[in-house]
Amino acid sequence: DTAVSQTPKYLVTQMGNDKSIKCEQNLGHDTMYWYKQDSKKFLKIMFSYNNKELIINETVPNRFSPKSPDKAHLNLHINSLELGDSAVYFCASSQDLRRIDAGELFFGEGSRLTVL
Amino acid sequence: GQNIDQPTEMTATEGAIVQINCTYQTSGFNGLFWYQQHAGEAPTFLSYNVLDGLEEKGRFSSFLSRSKGYSYLLLKELQMKDSASYLCAVSHLLMNSGYSTLTFGKGTMLLVSP
Repeated sequence: DTAVSQTPKYLVTQMGNDKSIKCEQNLGHDTMYWYKQDSKKFLKIMFSYNNKELIINETVPNRFSPKSPDKAHLNLHINSLELGDSAVYFCASSQDLRRIDAGELFFGEGSRLTVL
Repeated sequence: GQNIDQPTEMTATEGAIVQINCTYQTSGFNGLFWYQQHAGEAPTFLSYNVLDGLEEKGRFSSFLSRSKGYSYLLLKELQMKDSASYLCAVSHLLMNSGYSTLTFGKGTMLLVSP
């Protein structure tokens, strides 16, 4: 059983399209995240949700909208895709963000998005 | 803000010992984490230090000095499979909240050669 699973693994699409990436965790964690890893391999946080509540929303364009229907799921919808959105998007989960050891993240396999 | 520095690349030989350094500046420090990321894969947790000193876990050890804003990851008896990117990450409190967040350094690509 995969602990953190995200789909799809690969996405190739045209500029201007809208796409979604889904993420689910079966670890019973309270917190879920979306991270973006660019071509230089820099891993940067985009959003975090704690028990379905948005906690962190870094300077991400409004075209990116996360949705957490329950604490086991965190989806990412991207509108009007741009070339610069090409990256690997990682979903992750952890214990409650108020815990000091909440930095132990469990990552999904990543979704490689290519915008043409 | 947070500032995390680590070398971009390192090379070492199979069987050797390598030390990957990380320096950081942050407020509301909550702990320092090391992650390993093989090419094309997700990062995986290696270690966590919140108090000063050395934490040993098999061939890997991690050290923290909070007063110096310094950590290192020590890899012993290097194996070819240790070729990966090693990410230093600092946990720190978000302002005006009880929540913390994790900020990653840019990673150190370690190449182990025969």
